[in-house]
Amino acid sequence: QQPVQSPQAVILREGEDAVINCSSSKALYSVHWYRQKHGEAPVFLMILLKGGEQKGHEKISASFNEKKQQSSLYLTASQLSYSGTYFCGTEETKMDSNYQLIWGAGTKLIIKP
Amino acid sequence: DGGITQSPKYLFRKEGQNVTLSCEQNLNHDAMYWYRQDPGQGLRLIYYSQIVNDFQKGDIAEGYSVSREKKESFPLTVTSAQKNPTAFYLCASSWDAGGNQPQHFGDGTRLSIL
Repeated sequence: QQPVQSPQAVILREGEDAVINCSSSKALYSVHWYRQKHGEAPVFLMILLKGGEQKGHEKISASFNEKKQQSSLYLTASQLSYSGTYFCGTEETKMDSNYQLIWGAGTKLIIKP
Repeated sequence: DGGITQSPKYLFRKEGQNVTLSCEQNLNHDAMYWYRQDPGQGLRLIYYSQIVNDFQKGDIAEGYSVSREKKESFPLTVTSAQKNPTAFYLCASSWDAGGNQPQHFGDGTRLSIL
């Protein structure tokens, strides 16, 4: 089942912060975060594995709450280059070896000067 | 530089025609994937392959076919049975098909119906 991303879109001024959420109705093994600019390929940001970890990447960090089946992406002091659509991809805890990421519908982030 | 190459960038399909999208990677990755992306939506998995000569259907495999004869190549054929093929197609690869491996994407092929 597709994870739910919120908000669907957000508009910020350069330097402001944003939080993007990704929620699943199922237990998760991992959460992937990617950013895609219009007409381009998605670019990998980070992976979080179950265990409630938090990761950072420059001014972009994320958390994974296994119990809540939710991950959040934090963008601090946003820059113009952060504009794009952010996708989360989730892998459910599986009993078999088949692997598949289920992707959210994306959150469109617009940064204005 | 290592990466994934998709071709062509734009492709037009006539009624009743099969078309093949190319995907080549020189990252030495075992796993490869094909996704379809429709406007304003996330990625939907068409097929994936964990190893040469083996592949599995994703959520929307109907009307598509793939082959994996070489580790570096994973072409996708959009058959005439796929009635709504207009979309952005993305190929990706990863070291293996595990949840702790990032996927690396090609630049995509945009397919339209003539």
